[in-house]
Amino acid sequence: GQNIDQPTEMTATEGAIVQINCTYQTSGFNGLFWYQQHAGEAPTFLSYNVLDGLEEKGRFSSFLSRSKGYSYLLLKELQMKDSASYLCAANYGQNFVFGPGTRLSVLP
Amino acid sequence: DAGVTQSPTHLIKTRGQQVTLRCSPISGHKSVSWYQQVLGQGPQFIFQYYEKEERGRGNFPDRFSARQFPNYSSELNVNALLLGDSALYLCASQGQIYEQYFGPGTRLTVT
Repeated sequence: GQNIDQPTEMTATEGAIVQINCTYQTSGFNGLFWYQQHAGEAPTFLSYNVLDGLEEKGRFSSFLSRSKGYSYLLLKELQMKDSASYLCAANYGQNFVFGPGTRLSVLP
Repeated sequence: DAGVTQSPTHLIKTRGQQVTLRCSPISGHKSVSWYQQVLGQGPQFIFQYYEKEERGRGNFPDRFSARQFPNYSSELNVNALLLGDSALYLCASQGQIYEQYFGPGTRLTVT
């Protein structure tokens, strides 16, 4: 199968840095997405990695290692509004496989 | 420009009934994908359509079907509804380089 693994829940403090890891099956892999989803809302696009390395976009950065089947999302200077689920999704041709999501709670 | 739109927002159906969900992609996007998201889980891929042709299908029973129209809008049909079909149904509009943008979803409740 094309399983995506990511931690179920994480907790961090406002102003801190948090790293959310994701592992995926490498066979047929094209690229890796990260989405943010607030409760009761649709996912919103955060980043897309197709090459190895780090992509930085403001407070959010995403890293990919194709050989290891590994990605992480790094959130800096955490804010209360960052409390949400973070979905890792791998593209395999015309198929997109989502992980279960990591529910991040940012505490004051 | 309008984003992805879906209708209806909410829907309540009885077991055994049929339902049709609708989606309009972002202007200029020719691909639409459908996902089912059960509470507390990530979205599960159902279908992808591009230029009115099915390009991908997830592991869902034949009760689920879809089509795409010449204006690139799409419909998802589910027949013989089961309680387990209760979920948020998301439509994603795809532009270039595999980026997907999700609509607000249709929350289906089967009683």
